[in-house]
Amino acid sequence: EAGVTQFPSHSVIEKGQTVTLRCDPISGHDNLYWYRRVMGKEIKFLLHFVKESKQDESGMPNNRFLAERTGGTYSTLKVQPAELEDSGVYFCASSQVVAGKQYFGPGTRLTVT
Amino acid sequence: AQKVTQAQTEISVVEKEDVTLDCVYETRDTTYYLFWYKQPPSGELVFLIRRNSFDEQNEISGRYSWNFQKSTSSFNFTITASQVVDSAVYFCALSVYSGAGSYQLTFGKGTKLSVIP
Repeated sequence: EAGVTQFPSHSVIEKGQTVTLRCDPISGHDNLYWYRRVMGKEIKFLLHFVKESKQDESGMPNNRFLAERTGGTYSTLKVQPAELEDSGVYFCASSQVVAGKQYFGPGTRLTVT
Repeated sequence: AQKVTQAQTEISVVEKEDVTLDCVYETRDTTYYLFWYKQPPSGELVFLIRRNSFDEQNEISGRYSWNFQKSTSSFNFTITASQVVDSAVYFCALSVYSGAGSYQLTFGKGTKLSVIP
């Protein structure tokens, strides 16, 4: 069974540009989460999808971040326009049930210069 | 608010030594879940264990064991006879109901374990 996959593994963009990160959860997992870790800080929750619906987006830092999960399969996280403080590693996770084990992807390292 | 503290930033041990990684958590919820994840140099977070707040039984899985003590709000992780492959960053995490239909994870800052051959 394939695990959670994320693309790209690394992205370097300039301040003001747009970047879109993609996450493919484990097949059959209705729950999809986004987290990020900025340098020297803890891994922080961004939002949670149940199928295609945003269940909890309390961790989204501001309206420059837009997450979608059309069709309840893969998800995208767009940052527009990117700022220097957005640099970090963005993790995606999925789980079968809401309070269940969350399986993480390898992360996307975003560098904004 | 929830909080997870991993006081040990970095630990170095010699191969075959035992090592314990500490985790202290804070929450007012009576129902919660505790996790440990391993992050090897490749970067992905590997699930190790999930415990719920009503199950204080200690667990052993091979060389790994976990000691959950509600009285001290701790969920410590011990590796017995450490090996070089155990070198990684280990994260402790807490999950409670967010009130918005979600169980988001709150992570500690992680402990970097280096096992020296």
